[in-house]
Amino acid sequence: EVQLVESGGGLVQPGRSLRLSCTGSGFTSGDYPMSWFRLAPGKGLEWVGLIRSKGYGGTTEYAASVRGRFTISRDNSKSIAYLQMNSLKIEDTAVYYCSRVQGRHLDFDFYYMDVWGKGTTVIVSS
Amino acid sequence: DIQMTQSPSSLSASVGDRVTITCRTSQDIYKSLNWYQLKSGEAPKLLIYAASNLQSGVPSRFGGSGSGTDFTLTISNLQPEDFATYYCQQTYISFYSFGQGTTLEI
Repeated sequence: EVQLVESGGGLVQPGRSLRLSCTGSGFTSGDYPMSWFRLAPGKGLEWVGLIRSKGYGGTTEYAASVRGRFTISRDNSKSIAYLQMNSLKIEDTAVYYCSRVQGRHLDFDFYYMDVWGKGTTVIVSS
Repeated sequence: DIQMTQSPSSLSASVGDRVTITCRTSQDIYKSLNWYQLKSGEAPKLLIYAASNLQSGVPSRFGGSGSGTDFTLTISNLQPEDFATYYCQQTYISFYSFGQGTTLEI
């Protein structure tokens, strides 16, 4: 069964750091871009960032709200993608999800998130 | 960045109804638009990709249409398990923005 499981969430004080993990199974996660999203209380889904596959250089992109504070990396040998979160703010409180990015060429190159984890909760509070 | 405007923000309906949710983008994204269903405590679920393609395993009562800047998600013959929050998402550029969400309530 293709599956993603997030871990590492918890309660953390403002200004501190936390690292989330996303462990894949049932597929070769290194072959796919992976992306992180979050759902803050009372708000909508927000894209956090992505990391491309090794074949595309493993490069990263980030939302403006987290750029410079969050870093996405991956260990393909362990099928894990990480989200390192530094200088955490109260507004980073959310459920964090990871997903697999699927690409399909139809008449155009389309991308979509076909596999998601159930999320891990991060609470930033003093 | 591409701005997404999704409407309505909430919708009341009954089992058996047909409902439509719309999503408008701030620039032409061709058909790079996906729809997801989100329920509390569960993983988000992909329903439609590339504007109109039904994801494997998703019931055929879900349908998507549109191109350019205007898109719709239609759910026919609503079932009890369809009451959830729905999001559109653009993947035309790699900053994958979402609409604000539509909560479908009984």
